[in-house]
Amino acid sequence: ETGVTQSPTHLIKTRGQQVTLRCSSQSGHNTVSWYQQALGQGPQFIFQYYREEENGRGNFPPRFSGLQFPNYSSELNVNALELDDSALYLCASRQDRGGRENTGELFFGEGSRLTVL
Amino acid sequence: QKEVEQDPGPLSVPEGAIVSLNCTYSNSAFQYFMWYRQYSRKGPELLMYTYSSGNKEDGRFTAQVDKSSKYISLFIRDSQPSDSATYLCAMSERINTGTASKLTFGTGTRLQVTL
Repeated sequence: ETGVTQSPTHLIKTRGQQVTLRCSSQSGHNTVSWYQQALGQGPQFIFQYYREEENGRGNFPPRFSGLQFPNYSSELNVNALELDDSALYLCASRQDRGGRENTGELFFGEGSRLTVL
Repeated sequence: QKEVEQDPGPLSVPEGAIVSLNCTYSNSAFQYFMWYRQYSRKGPELLMYTYSSGNKEDGRFTAQVDKSSKYISLFIRDSQPSDSATYLCAMSERINTGTASKLTFGTGTRLQVTL
């Protein structure tokens, strides 16, 4: 158990719809990242939030957006869904030590499996 | 060329065998190296992380990093059927002038340990 919980676990949407996925980070973790894992692939970095600000982003279009709340829970929003958005969406958290070296360890939740029809 | 290359397998071994899993990488900015285990329909579980070249041991698992060759390995001794899973290597680098970091994963190697 990593203490990272995600909801919903499964959902089905149609092309063009919007979806919101939710994550509750492990207690004390101030940094959250989201990853997309297509079938048979490794997870791909979407973006990272630290203290409610996005501070890193991967090669994903602006229709992928997020929020981090003061209690360190977060959301991933995807607009105008496309068939290729079908994937497992993983939330991961860690404690960022600010200016000090971070190991980069991330603790993942079980994911939300999105199917776009 | 992908930044991280990992043989997808599947790799099938008998119970008790020593398993060797490997990844190569091309990005010199990678600082930390991790191995995750992922069971079917579950999230990745952190097994090992290392920073410097050399070996790190934890129970039946040994992680090895060779930065000069850009090569990392995970060895599993006395493999058990419960080790059957996909093993993902992951590498961490700082981005955005060091205020954030991201992991780059291999595609994962599917391991099957048979009785």
